[in-house]
Amino acid sequence: KAGVTQTPRYLIKTRGQQVTLSCSPISGHRSVSWYQQTPGQGLQFLFEYFSETQRNKGNFPGRFSGRQFSNSRSEMNVSTLELGDSALYLCASSLGRSPGTRFSGANVLTFGAGSRLTVL
Amino acid sequence: GESVGLHLPTLSVQEGDNSIINCAYSNSASDYFIWYKQESGKGPQFIIDIRSNMDKRQGQRVTVLLNKTVKHLSLQIAATQPGDSAVYFCAETHEDYKLSFGAGTTVTVRA
Repeated sequence: KAGVTQTPRYLIKTRGQQVTLSCSPISGHRSVSWYQQTPGQGLQFLFEYFSETQRNKGNFPGRFSGRQFSNSRSEMNVSTLELGDSALYLCASSLGRSPGTRFSGANVLTFGAGSRLTVL
Repeated sequence: GESVGLHLPTLSVQEGDNSIINCAYSNSASDYFIWYKQESGKGPQFIIDIRSNMDKRQGQRVTVLLNKTVKHLSLQIAATQPGDSAVYFCAETHEDYKLSFGAGTTVTVRA
């Protein structure tokens, strides 16, 4: 079956612009998580969505936002881009069952290949 | 700050030898740990996981050891192959829906 699909794979923006990244989860997966990966900070959690609701978010400024649609596809948006926003943005999906079941295989994250954003 | 860290950023290993990748964590509430492998140009790929009520778990050619006393996690890869060259991340969770990742160890396999 198809994996997690992220678009676009590469993009270049300038400071002050905004960007929208898209993620299509594995069919049947209802949870979508977003992570930012940089050489200095590693993988940092941005937010997680399930059934169009944000269930957890990381320590990022309000310029970073996301949403999930009824078909489980998700988008994240970064407004007023800064140079430090240059990163690989990774989306991951899972079945996303209810709290307390995170030890099960149902909540193993499957990652996409990422969207590499360069801010000039 | 980070709650998960790795002891060494790089590891060079001879093909056929065993590899050991270490990871330290600081949050005593961490109750679930996962190792991921990331190859160039790809997203992280799940390798193996372990709950905090276990101290060892084995998979195919991989073993994860957990020492909660010293908050230490390790990944052992048996008979390392060229395809094992990648960046390895440990991750922990102590709250739902969120993983905290370590900085990663780059493993290079020498032929």
